[in-house]
Amino acid sequence: KNEVEQSPQNLTAQEGEFITINCSYSVGISALHWLQQHPGGGIVSLFMLSSGKKKHGRLIATINIQEKHSSLHITASHPRDSAVYICAVEGDNDMRFGAGTRLTVKP
Amino acid sequence: KAGVTQTPRYLIKTRGQQVTLSCSPISGHRSVSWYQQTPGQGLQFLFEYFSETQRNKGNFPGRFSGRQFSNSRSEMNVSTLELGDSALYLCASSLAGQPNSPLHFGNGTRLTVT
Repeated sequence: KNEVEQSPQNLTAQEGEFITINCSYSVGISALHWLQQHPGGGIVSLFMLSSGKKKHGRLIATINIQEKHSSLHITASHPRDSAVYICAVEGDNDMRFGAGTRLTVKP
Repeated sequence: KAGVTQTPRYLIKTRGQQVTLSCSPISGHRSVSWYQQTPGQGLQFLFEYFSETQRNKGNFPGRFSGRQFSNSRSEMNVSTLELGDSALYLCASSLAGQPNSPLHFGNGTRLTVT
């Protein structure tokens, strides 16, 4: 079992839909990151969380430390949100990554 | 402010050769971390440098090494290249380093080993 599990692996949505991507982890962490990767490889850091909830525009990220679970929500999804979303957990000495969720938003 | 710059963008090498990749962090950032991304293994942490010292290292063989200079620029070296080293190599810089500092990624160097 991977230490960082993301679901779903693939997600197709219609423009305007509310989207949720989940991340569960089994190791102790000091922070959790949500990353966005577009075709071509560039990665953008969306959020860094150690507790609670953060919001940036249409994106919301939450984390439950006790349950070792985080969610990334996208409200009013748009085709430009199409990308791979990666959950990464940061321990004291390293960083471990989920396999990513490939999101396609259709107009 | 300029972003994280990685050079070169693309590289083709032959098995057995060595390669050096470069990463220039955002001005003022003292931490640089390196990652390997392959279709099979996804993203994996290689190592992190902070103020010219390697602070953390992932589970990679000794053929993978790096260093950081006094201006925070970092280089990663892979010796005796293997076909399996073909990957996208990404670096990221942060102000204070792990843990708990937001990461700023470069666009990566795509290495192909033939």
